[in-house]
Amino acid sequence: EAGVAQSPRYKIIEKRQSVAFWCNPISGHATLYWYQQILGQGPKLLIQFQNNGVVDDSQLPKDRFSAERLKGVDSTLKIQPAKLEDSAVYLCASSLESLAGSYEQYFGPGTRLTVT
Amino acid sequence: KNEVEQSPQNLTAQEGEFITINCSYSVGISALHWLQQHPGGGIVSLFMLSSGKKKHGRLIATINIQEKHSSLHITASHPRDSAVYICAVPSGGGADGLTFGKGTHLIIQP
Repeated sequence: EAGVAQSPRYKIIEKRQSVAFWCNPISGHATLYWYQQILGQGPKLLIQFQNNGVVDDSQLPKDRFSAERLKGVDSTLKIQPAKLEDSAVYLCASSLESLAGSYEQYFGPGTRLTVT
Repeated sequence: KNEVEQSPQNLTAQEGEFITINCSYSVGISALHWLQQHPGGGIVSLFMLSSGKKKHGRLIATINIQEKHSSLHITASHPRDSAVYICAVPSGGGADGLTFGKGTHLIIQP
């Protein structure tokens, strides 16, 4: 079974530029998550999708971050414009369903973003 | 919103030692997750548990729902166990994205 795929693996941009990350979850997984992991910290949830609907985006900085999962399969996370503090690893995860954290989440390898 | 505290933040031990990592959380949950992250690597789920104890190889995870506390144990530790171990719980509020602890950076020396 193929795992969660993410691209690119690494990205370096200058502040105020825009960037997009792509995630393809495990086939059949209805729930998709985007997490941000700043160096030395645990991941922080940015947004959760159930199929193509948003379940939770309370911690997403909506003035600069956006995400979509139009067909309920793969997803794109965008940052526009980027700030220095956005430097982090962006992790995508998926799970079978959404039931109060009771399903195992499978993580992709992450995209390491450096903003200079 | 759930809050997660892990201890210790850093742990260095000798090969063969018994390792314990602790996790406490603030709000009742349906399940707690233990995950492993190697330097530069992705995150791998080790356990998901809602009660009692689970064992996988040399890893054991326990949870006490009443005390809102979980422990991860490693028996006969080995240098390849060196990694960051992270405890995570559902954030709450109906959604089930996870709230993560800051992680325990474990180094096992040969």
